[in-house]
Amino acid sequence: DQQVKQNSPSLSVQEGRISILNCDYTNSMFDYFLWYKKYPAEGPTFLISISSIKDKNEDGRFTVFLNKSAKHLSLHIVPSQPGDSAVYFCAAAGQGGSEKLVFGKGTKLTVNP
Amino acid sequence: GAVVSQHPSRVICKSGTSVKIECRSLDFQATTMFWYRQFPKQSLMLMATSNEGSKATYEQGVEKDKFLINHASLTLSTLTVTSAHPEDSSFYICSASILEGGGFTDTQYFGPGTRLTVL
Repeated sequence: DQQVKQNSPSLSVQEGRISILNCDYTNSMFDYFLWYKKYPAEGPTFLISISSIKDKNEDGRFTVFLNKSAKHLSLHIVPSQPGDSAVYFCAAAGQGGSEKLVFGKGTKLTVNP
Repeated sequence: GAVVSQHPSRVICKSGTSVKIECRSLDFQATTMFWYRQFPKQSLMLMATSNEGSKATYEQGVEKDKFLINHASLTLSTLTVTSAHPEDSSFYICSASILEGGGFTDTQYFGPGTRLTVL
C-alpha cells in the first residue's frame, strides 16, 4: 500500500517553461513534506520542504504547494533549465517529529533546450 | 553542506558471500543514520533506522539477521548483507541526520549509494 504516490513516471518540458511535479499522499498523519532531486547512481539531494501548517514555500525557482484537504502537494520549477533534468522524489514524514521518510516512486523530469 | 560518504560505490559478489557497506558522515556527527534500498524504477524503501550505540530498528519485512546494521560511532554505520543472493541485488543508500532539540529537521543528508550485484 503506497502512502506517497507520484503518478507521473516522467515529464518533459521546454527550457524556460514551468515544470509541475505532483504528489499525493494517503496518510493524514504526515505533517512534513520534502522534495529530493536525484541523479543516476547518486543519492538524493534535498531540494525544498514544507510543513503542514503552511500551504506554500518558495526558494528561488522552486515552489512547493500543499493542499492538505486534498492530500496533494506539487513542486513548481520556473523557469525550467536543462540542469533540472533528474528524477524528483516526493517524501513525507510523520507526526511528532518522526524522521522516517516515506518516498514516492519518483518522476523523471526532462528539460529540453 | 554536510557530506555523507559510502564505500564501496559498487560491489559484485558471488551468491552466499557477505558484503559490508560503510556509511560515514564526514564533517558532522550523525545522531541517526538510515538505510534504504532502491529497486529500478521504484521508490527508496526504508530498511532500518540506527542510532549510535543502540540496536537498529528494522522496518516490517526486513530480515534483521540478513541485513546486519552496526552504528559504532557518531560518524560510522555499516550494513552487512549476509549470505547474499541475487534477489538482494539493489542500490543501497544511507542517510544521516542531525537532530536539533530532539525535533525533526530537513537536514537528512544522503550518501551516494552502493550498487550491489549478486551473481
